[in-house]
Amino acid sequence: SQKIEQNSEALNIQEGKTATLTCNYTNYSPAYLQWYRQDPGRGPVFLLLIRENEKEKRKERLKVTFDTTLKQSLFHITASQPADSATYLCALAPSGSARQLTFGSGTQLTVLP
Amino acid sequence: DTGVSQDPRHKITKRGQNVTFRCDPISEHNRLYWYRQTLGQGPEFLTYFQNEAQLEKSRLLSDRFSAERPKGSFSTLEIQRTEQGDSAMYLCASSLGVAGVNEQFFGPGTRLTVL
Repeated sequence: SQKIEQNSEALNIQEGKTATLTCNYTNYSPAYLQWYRQDPGRGPVFLLLIRENEKEKRKERLKVTFDTTLKQSLFHITASQPADSATYLCALAPSGSARQLTFGSGTQLTVLP
Repeated sequence: DTGVSQDPRHKITKRGQNVTFRCDPISEHNRLYWYRQTLGQGPEFLTYFQNEAQLEKSRLLSDRFSAERPKGSFSTLEIQRTEQGDSAMYLCASSLGVAGVNEQFFGPGTRLTVL
């Protein structure tokens, strides 16, 4: 069956360090992969989109990699700040239904001052 | 505020009652999505509209659930004969696009509690 797995444990890191979050998938052939941020009691907020033919995407302190051979995406936040503390969700859009996003369960990141 | 809005923000109902939620997308967005999210999980896709046409519907979506988007503007999601398992956050999102996938803009959600 299709499965998306994100870091199973919450991630705590020290301010200023780089946070690396993992998204692994099985039995998918995603055309796109997106990362969202979600704060408690709020809807997700889009961060980055990467296509299957792209290896890496950057936006300010954020970097996403996409390895379709390993079936994995890594999401990096450099120079992390306490304000980066949130749950981060990866979402896949399979080739057959480019509009229907399937989300992972998210990784809760806490940046300690 | 020109973001996605949802109403109500919270709804408490008794099992067996019908509930209806409303979503107002960003005005120029032609695509509208409904998701359901339970604690500790990511959003789960329910259904998708392009303009007024409902183009995709999750196989997990019970026939007690129905969604409409008359005139391609706001959308409503109705749950009939609610069950305790329907308790969740219901999220609406919208996006602009014709082909492919675009970023989705989410509303704040409607939290449903079924007693």
